[in-house]
Amino acid sequence: AQTVTQSQPEMSVQEAETVTLSCTYDTSENNYYLFWYKQPPSRQMILVIRQEAYKQQNATENRFSVNFQKAAKSFSLKISDSQLGDTAMYFCAFMPPDRSGGSNYKLTFGKGTLLTVNP
Amino acid sequence: EAQVTQNPRYLITVTGKKLTVTCSQNMNHEYMSWYRQDPGLGLRQIYYSMNVEVTDKGDVPEGYKVSRKEKRNFPLILESPSPNQTSLYFCASSLSRAVGGTEAFFGQGTRLTVV
Repeated sequence: AQTVTQSQPEMSVQEAETVTLSCTYDTSENNYYLFWYKQPPSRQMILVIRQEAYKQQNATENRFSVNFQKAAKSFSLKISDSQLGDTAMYFCAFMPPDRSGGSNYKLTFGKGTLLTVNP
Repeated sequence: EAQVTQNPRYLITVTGKKLTVTCSQNMNHEYMSWYRQDPGLGLRQIYYSMNVEVTDKGDVPEGYKVSRKEKRNFPLILESPSPNQTSLYFCASSLSRAVGGTEAFFGQGTRLTVV
């Protein structure tokens, strides 16, 4: 079974600075998908960024980028120019590849990192 | 607007009183799933459905039932709720991977308290 570990329960950053959230995972799969989800106080789960394991290039979405190290099974999220609206719980998640005969597109989540952006 | 709609958003109930949390999506997604979120545990999958009339257990199915009679709806049923089912529940849907779907779309969440 896959596991996802987020070793930083809480982090804080000053507005406009850069912060990196760490995530490691354990799997025997070769092709899979990794995600970062953001959960603001509204509780809504919002997809921040995704990475396909077969792609070597790190994914980027505006101020959000990842450092995907497949061999090390590491998937960190970098937030540049932090904004007050980035204050949220951030979850790293793993999704397995397809299986013949049907797949469970189950997301395995880490326990989350609570990020606070200070003015 | 493409969305996953859960109802109710908040529910307080008593032990043993059957309840249903509804989930509906308007994106024609084949795959739907239920998760529960507990402090310090992240989100864990309860049940999932690959398509109409196809459902299976996730990691924490005990005490829950689901049904998938229509593609758009995937209700979560608690036949006899207990206090350990107090949690935040999320419904999610996604397209089949065969057509390139990977992103899970989540509902707004249902905060359930069982006293």
